[in-house]
Amino acid sequence: GQNIDQPTEMTATEGAIVQINCTYQTSGFNGLFWYQQHAGEAPTFLSYNVLDGLEEKGRFSSFLSRSKGYSYLLLKELQMKDSASYLCAVRENGGFKTIFGAGTRLFVKA
Amino acid sequence: DVKVTQSSRYLVKRTGEKVFLECVQDMDHENMFWYRQDPGLGLRLIYFSYDVKMKEKGDIPEGYSVSREKKERFSLILESASTNQTSMYLCASSSRRLSNQPQHFGDGTRLSIL
Repeated sequence: GQNIDQPTEMTATEGAIVQINCTYQTSGFNGLFWYQQHAGEAPTFLSYNVLDGLEEKGRFSSFLSRSKGYSYLLLKELQMKDSASYLCAVRENGGFKTIFGAGTRLFVKA
Repeated sequence: DVKVTQSSRYLVKRTGEKVFLECVQDMDHENMFWYRQDPGLGLRLIYFSYDVKMKEKGDIPEGYSVSREKKERFSLILESASTNQTSMYLCASSSRRLSNQPQHFGDGTRLSIL
């Protein structure tokens, strides 16, 4: 079956580093996306991985291991505005259909 | 900037009504999607379309239909609304030409069926 697992909630302190994990089992793989979604707003794109390894984008990095069906999103120098839900999503072969995880709600405290 | 516009942010309808949710995108994207988002369940795909007049069922198509008469517009139809269709509905679009392109989402329609 198809499944994407990520923790439901995490709490971290302003200025710290947090890692949000995602494991997936899907019928095909054509890329993994991370999105950020603030409460009441639309998801917005953060990162994309299709090959194994680390992709860095400012304070945000994302890692992929295809053999392990595993990804993580790393947020450095946390700010209060990073409090949001983070969605892990896998695009299946063929390129159209994307499966989303339930999301991880991150609370950043002062 | 890509713009995906959903016709309503909030909508209240009655059980049994036929409900139309409209979505328009301005980036000439081939792919368009309708999701519903419920607490603890994440985004679930209802229908998607990869070209004008083309449609494919997603994971939860029952009780819904879609229409794509023009490339920029993708409509979701609740044939006879029921209370279990109360949810947040999100429309998204993406390019088919580049494989690394993400989906771009509208602001969502919070639909309540009474």
